[in-house]
Amino acid sequence: DAGVTQSPTHLIKTRGQQVTLRCSPKSGHDTVSWYQQALGQGPQFIFQYYEEEERQRGNFPDRFSGHQFPNYSSELNVNALLLGDSALYLCASSFSNQPQHFGDGTRLSIL
Amino acid sequence: QKEVEQNSGPLSVPEGAIASLNCTYSDRVSQSFFWYRQYSGKSPELIMSIYSNGDKEDGRFTAQLNKASQYVSLLIRDSQPSDSATYLCAVRMDSNYQLIWGAGTKLIIKP
Repeated sequence: DAGVTQSPTHLIKTRGQQVTLRCSPKSGHDTVSWYQQALGQGPQFIFQYYEEEERQRGNFPDRFSGHQFPNYSSELNVNALLLGDSALYLCASSFSNQPQHFGDGTRLSIL
Repeated sequence: QKEVEQNSGPLSVPEGAIASLNCTYSDRVSQSFFWYRQYSGKSPELIMSIYSNGDKEDGRFTAQLNKASQYVSLLIRDSQPSDSATYLCAVRMDSNYQLIWGAGTKLIIKP
């Protein structure tokens, strides 16, 4: 039974570029949440998707957008990348409001 | 501003001893509480969830919740060097979907 899978593992971009990160939830899970984690900090909630809609959003600018597909997989898009967007991006899936399980993350570096 | 506070550590504990990790939260409406373990460079891994006052035990781990004092703790008995990691506390209100995270406590188990 595959857990939460994220791709790519690592990514290097330059300022102003756009990036798309992908997440496949654990089998049986219908809810996907995205988090940004800076070094030495706890994860910061970006948004959560359920039934292909953004159900809740954290305090992130509109440059951060997402999508959930009918198979429950999800994408996180970030436009106009800034140096401060360098972080570990985590996807977590759950069934409804059950505890969330995380993928291995995507390490994004902005040059 | 809803907050979750943890002592950043590092907390150093001898092998075989009990490690005690603490977390306080500011929002009295919080209803769900989670402890995650995160090894360096890896993603958070769910250890325990607790929803009602009292103790919840799972193997060497015990979570303790006191809603009146807005306090949740994690005890690790018979600490092993493999327990060395950062432990993250996360809190959620039932009317909300996002997890609010502490910055984590770094635990070091000394052989």
